[in-house]
Amino acid sequence: GNSVTQMEGPVTLSEEAFLTINCTYTATGYPSLFWYVQYPGEGLQLLLKATKADDKGSNKGFEATYRKETTSFHLEKGSVQVSDSAVYFCALSDRHTGNQFYFGTGTSLTVIP
Amino acid sequence: NAGVTQTPKFQVLKTGQSMTLQCAQDMNHNSMYWYRQDPGMGLRLIYYSASEGTTDKGEVPNGYNVSRLNKREFSLRLESAAPSQTSVYFCASSEFYGSGAEAFFGQGTRLTVV
Repeated sequence: GNSVTQMEGPVTLSEEAFLTINCTYTATGYPSLFWYVQYPGEGLQLLLKATKADDKGSNKGFEATYRKETTSFHLEKGSVQVSDSAVYFCALSDRHTGNQFYFGTGTSLTVIP
Repeated sequence: NAGVTQTPKFQVLKTGQSMTLQCAQDMNHNSMYWYRQDPGMGLRLIYYSASEGTTDKGEVPNGYNVSRLNKREFSLRLESAAPSQTSVYFCASSEFYGSGAEAFFGQGTRLTVV
């Protein structure tokens, strides 16, 4: 079946530090991969996505590369800001298994000045 | 540019009461979903509707019912609320196409059952 495993938090970093949040997946088909971000009191927003192997998704300084050989989609940012404090979810979708999305458990990030 | 709209935003229920959470999307998406979010559990799928006229159970459907009223609207009903249903509920919609899809989320309904 399909599933997503992501690094457990919480993660606390100082401003301008390098961020990595690990995400690995299991899929029966050929999925699309996503990172969503949730700010306090809000719904989830798409941060970036990749739809095929070796694609790199990027947005707001965040990047993630679709690695089929390691079934991974790790999120990185070179220099985090206080405003990046949020919960980050890795997810996959696979149209061949019923138009469903599969989410990781989320990683809480706090960036301190 | 509303996207996915959920009502209400907050609700407190007594055990045994019933209520319906409303969700509407204006993006002409075929697929709609209801999730619940609990601390440490991530998002768990309650029910989904791949297209108008169809609904299917997700991971945690017990205690809930859904109605896909039309293409725009997908409601979630709690017939007899229990404290274990205290959670944040999110509605989402999506349109699957050749190279993948993304889900668009509402702002959530924060439900407390006392």
